[in-house]
Amino acid sequence: EAEVAQSPRYKITEKSQAVAFWCDPISGHATLYWYRQILGQGPELLVQFQDESVVDDSQLPKDRFSAERLKGVDSTLKIQPAELGDSAMYLCASSLDSPITGYEQYFGPGTRLTVT
Amino acid sequence: QKEVEQDPGPLSVPEGAIVSLNCTYSNSAFQYFMWYRQYSRKGPELLMYTYSSGNKEDGRFTAQVDKSSKYISLFIRDSQPSDSATYLCAMSPGLYGNNRLAFGKGNQVVVIP
Repeated sequence: EAEVAQSPRYKITEKSQAVAFWCDPISGHATLYWYRQILGQGPELLVQFQDESVVDDSQLPKDRFSAERLKGVDSTLKIQPAELGDSAMYLCASSLDSPITGYEQYFGPGTRLTVT
Repeated sequence: QKEVEQDPGPLSVPEGAIVSLNCTYSNSAFQYFMWYRQYSRKGPELLMYTYSSGNKEDGRFTAQVDKSSKYISLFIRDSQPSDSATYLCAMSPGLYGNNRLAFGKGNQVVVIP
């Protein structure tokens, strides 16, 4: 069964360091999402891509966060510099967006970031 | 006021009991209502989705939407230990394009054998 892949699964970094997360969506899924889920909260959308284009990045803290999906397949989310409040689970999801097969978002296992 | 309110209190029930979860919302534009299940250290997975008001049943799971009250519910009948997870409600005005999913905080459910 096809799955969304994310790496690393866990990351510990010091405040002010740079950190990057990688996501490989399900093959053929044009839409890719990055979410942040703080412990005890629901996921919040950071950025949405349609192929290589950004559809929604209104909730992305652009002074320190960046995201790219250069070839419209895999994607990287970067934080520089990391702050203590960035400690969270970073989830990637993808969807096919087809009127025939549906619009379900499939989530990856997430990257658990701890900033010390 | 957040768009979606879900009382995050943990819920412990004995095996076989009915689990009842609910969310309220404030955005009248929401048309699609979903329930996600999230096991520990995993990403959420879609359990059920409903369009507009009404009920939907899938095996032991029933989702209800009352748009007039801006209230949605999920019922799990004959609960099993394997149902132990966090349940998140989510909703959006549409299914694709620039239609952001708004999630509740989630309810941690523990089914005791």
